[in-house]
Amino acid sequence: EIVLTQSPGTQSLSPGERATLSCRASQTILNNYLAWYQQRPGRAPRLLIYGASTRATDVPVRFSGSGSATDFTLTITKLEPEDFAVYYCQQYGTAPYSFGQGTRLEIK
Amino acid sequence: QAQLVESGGGSVKPGGSLRLSCEASGFTFSDFFISWVRQAPGKGLEWVSYISKTGSVTFYADSVKGRFSVSRDNVKNSLYLEMTNLRADDSGVYYCAREPTFPAGLDVWGRGTTVTVSS
Repeated sequence: EIVLTQSPGTQSLSPGERATLSCRASQTILNNYLAWYQQRPGRAPRLLIYGASTRATDVPVRFSGSGSATDFTLTITKLEPEDFAVYYCQQYGTAPYSFGQGTRLEIK
Repeated sequence: QAQLVESGGGSVKPGGSLRLSCEASGFTFSDFFISWVRQAPGKGLEWVSYISKTGSVTFYADSVKGRFSVSRDNVKNSLYLEMTNLRADDSGVYYCAREPTFPAGLDVWGRGTTVTVSS
């Protein structure tokens, strides 16, 4: 089973700042099948990025994904108030699929 | 508009069983793989199971293997999760989510249904 480790656990930033979230895999992710999701309180997760770097439909351009193999990054430039939420990475290349434990982005 | 709606959640005693359903609308259900994902109260997301477009291929997390069974009825546009021998740590919100044929993550999610396992 591929284990995904996200860091940091919590990041405290101000609106307008840049956020950099990390996701590290215990082994190479097949075809870079790595996705990022945003989850706001009481809501279902929302797909942001798939294939490590492709934005999903209607996702603002301030969200970008990068990385390959075992190291991946989600970057959010110029944080908006609605971006403060929990973010998860997920690998869907090898079953059992797995999620990281999440990074909470909170307002400083 | 593509939509998934889960149902069937509720309270059950340890060792009991539940059957969750997920009804799809607004898209061609048989064109998509489907996963179940759960979230314990105050915890992160946990992938539970996957089923292929025809239902011929299924995968499960180790934590539920042998106790949960996923199936689908493409005529009824519905997905099912049969859960047996339930434990307290199976409690949480259960989401169904679709995955396009070209692997592109889980792009449409339901709102979830809550399962509580407690004596």
